[in-house]
Amino acid sequence: AQTVTQSQPEMSVQEAETVTLSCTYDTSENNYYLFWYKQPPSRQMILVIRQEAYKQQNATENRFSVNFQKAAKSFSLKISDSQLGDTAMYFCAFMDHAGNNRKLIWGLGTSLAVNP
Amino acid sequence: EAQVTQNPRYLITVTGKKLTVTCSQNMNHEYMSWYRQDPGLGLRQIYYSMNVEVTDKGDVPEGYKVSRKEKRNFPLILESPSPNQTSLYFCASSLTGEETQYFGPGTRLLVL
Repeated sequence: AQTVTQSQPEMSVQEAETVTLSCTYDTSENNYYLFWYKQPPSRQMILVIRQEAYKQQNATENRFSVNFQKAAKSFSLKISDSQLGDTAMYFCAFMDHAGNNRKLIWGLGTSLAVNP
Repeated sequence: EAQVTQNPRYLITVTGKKLTVTCSQNMNHEYMSWYRQDPGLGLRQIYYSMNVEVTDKGDVPEGYKVSRKEKRNFPLILESPSPNQTSLYFCASSLTGEETQYFGPGTRLLVL
């Protein structure tokens, strides 16, 4: 069964600095998708970034970028120029393609605090 | 505005009193799914639907029912809620399932 592991339950960073959140996953599939979602105190689940496993190029979205290492099954998120509004829980998720289901399998999250 | 809506956002109920949490999307998405989020357990899928009249169980379907009579709506039904169903519930949708899933705002349910 696929699993997603986030080894850092909590992290903190100073405003304007860079922080990297770790995620590893386990799968026997070759084609899949990986995601980072952000959950601020409002509890809304917001997509941060998405990576297709068949793409070698790492995805980027403004201040957010990933380091996708397929062989190592690693998918870390880098946040540059951290802002106070980045304070949130961050979840790494893997999309399961079993049958017709497009289930997301989630890590337990990393709580990120951006300090002024 | 493209969005997934859920109602109610907060609900306190008692054991055994049937309730329905509605989910609606205005993006013409085929795939819809329900998740529950619990501390220490993360998010787990309850049910999903590939299209109208096509639904199937996720990882934790016990105690829940769903229906998909219209493309835009995917209600979650708790026919006899129990305290272990106290949780934060999310509805999600995507165009066909392959694309990014977009989430509703969540429904916080407390069963006494």
